Amino acid sequence: AQRVTQPEKLLSVFKGAPVELKCNYSYSGSPELFWYVQYSRQRLQLLLRHISRESIKGFTADLNKGETSFHLKKPFAQEEDSAMYYCALSDDYKLSFGAGTTVTVRA
Amino acid sequence: GAGVSQSPSNKVTEKGKDVELRCDPISGHTALYWYRQSLGQGLEFLIYFQGNSAPDKSGLPSDRFSAERTGGSVSTLTIQRTQQEDSAVYLCASSLGSATAYNEQFFGPGTRLTVL
Repeated sequence: AQRVTQPEKLLSVFKGAPVELKCNYSYSGSPELFWYVQYSRQRLQLLLRHISRESIKGFTADLNKGETSFHLKKPFAQEEDSAMYYCALSDDYKLSFGAGTTVTVRA
Repeated sequence: GAGVSQSPSNKVTEKGKDVELRCDPISGHTALYWYRQSLGQGLEFLIYFQGNSAPDKSGLPSDRFSAERTGGSVSTLTIQRTQQEDSAVYLCASSLGSATAYNEQFFGPGTRLTVL
């Protein structure tokens, strides 16, 4: 069985400050991990996936197998980053989501 | 092109009534998923359809829940004898193929179900 944990329900940062959203997982295999984002009144959408090693909207996430973590980071938060963020793990075709972290970026 | 669409956007029903939720996936997407988003509990996988294969129903919480996918396209999630704990946002997603790391799932806007 797989499990995704996002320990922070709420995260508030000031504009321009760094932001880090924590995600830990448990999985007996080689994990495929994702971050999804849901902006206010918008659909849930993919932000980034670990296998692509991409940076989207200034966000990056590194898979740390030793610590079983996939934390999402951005060095300088912007007000438009305010949203709900979900970490997800793919088991073949199912996505297992964490409970989500609501990020508020204050001016 | 159009994304995943769901109807209705909101549904209020009385306890004990049956409800049907509809999902129209992106044209050409063979995989379709239903998830439930409950307050404070994240998203929970319900059911998965892939082409003509037997669906994976392992996430359905009880036998009151069922889903069909007709003609490999539109899907309907049915909840019989609704209970208050069924209140949630029901999300549908579709993808080109099976969800591997390279097959992005595209989500619909959801149906907010409220059971009084």
